Amino acid sequence: AQSVTQPDIHITVSEGASLELRCNYSYGATPYLFWYVQSPGQGLQLLLKYFSGDTLVQGIKGFEAEFKRSQSSFNLRKPSVHWSDAAEYFCAVGASGNAGNMLTFGGGTRLMVKP
Amino acid sequence: DTGVSQDPRHKITKRGQNVTFRCDPISEHNRLYWYRQTLGQGPEFLTYFQNEAQLEKSRLLSDRFSAERPKGSFSTLEIQRTEQGDSAMYLCASTFVGAYGYTFGSGTRLTVV
Repeated sequence: AQSVTQPDIHITVSEGASLELRCNYSYGATPYLFWYVQSPGQGLQLLLKYFSGDTLVQGIKGFEAEFKRSQSSFNLRKPSVHWSDAAEYFCAVGASGNAGNMLTFGGGTRLMVKP
Repeated sequence: DTGVSQDPRHKITKRGQNVTFRCDPISEHNRLYWYRQTLGQGPEFLTYFQNEAQLEKSRLLSDRFSAERPKGSFSTLEIQRTEQGDSAMYLCASTFVGAYGYTFGSGTRLTVV
């Protein structure tokens, strides 16, 4: 079975600083990987996804993520954080070939942005 | 396209009562998913439908939980004899068959007192 670990429960960065959120997954084959963002009391919005091909994927809101098979990681990055990026971020993995396309989520990283 | 709608947004119920939530997916999506998210955790898969057929259920879905999607459009999730441990955000999502990256609704937050 697949699993996802997000080692950082909380991260605080200053506005304008760069950001990296860590995600490690466990899955026996090539996974499908996702990052979602959730604002308080809201549902989840898809930031980006990786299925195959270029290991650096671009998403919405200026986010990008890099798939590193050797490290079983899919870290999320943004070069300059805005106050509106404060939210909870979830990494998720889907099993390739899974007919139901269910996702397994990590526990999330709460991002706080200092002015 | 109005996105995925969930109703109600919030529900407070007494322990032992039954509750029902509704999800209206994006109209052309034929897959619909239910996830549960407890405080401070990521969402956990509960069940999914393809059209009106319920194709998989998680072991998290005890026999007090039942979900339907009667005409392959909206779906309902019912919890009977609610317990305090049922307090959570219940999220609905939809997509096409074979697609990844669902569209989530805003969720229904259930509080059992």
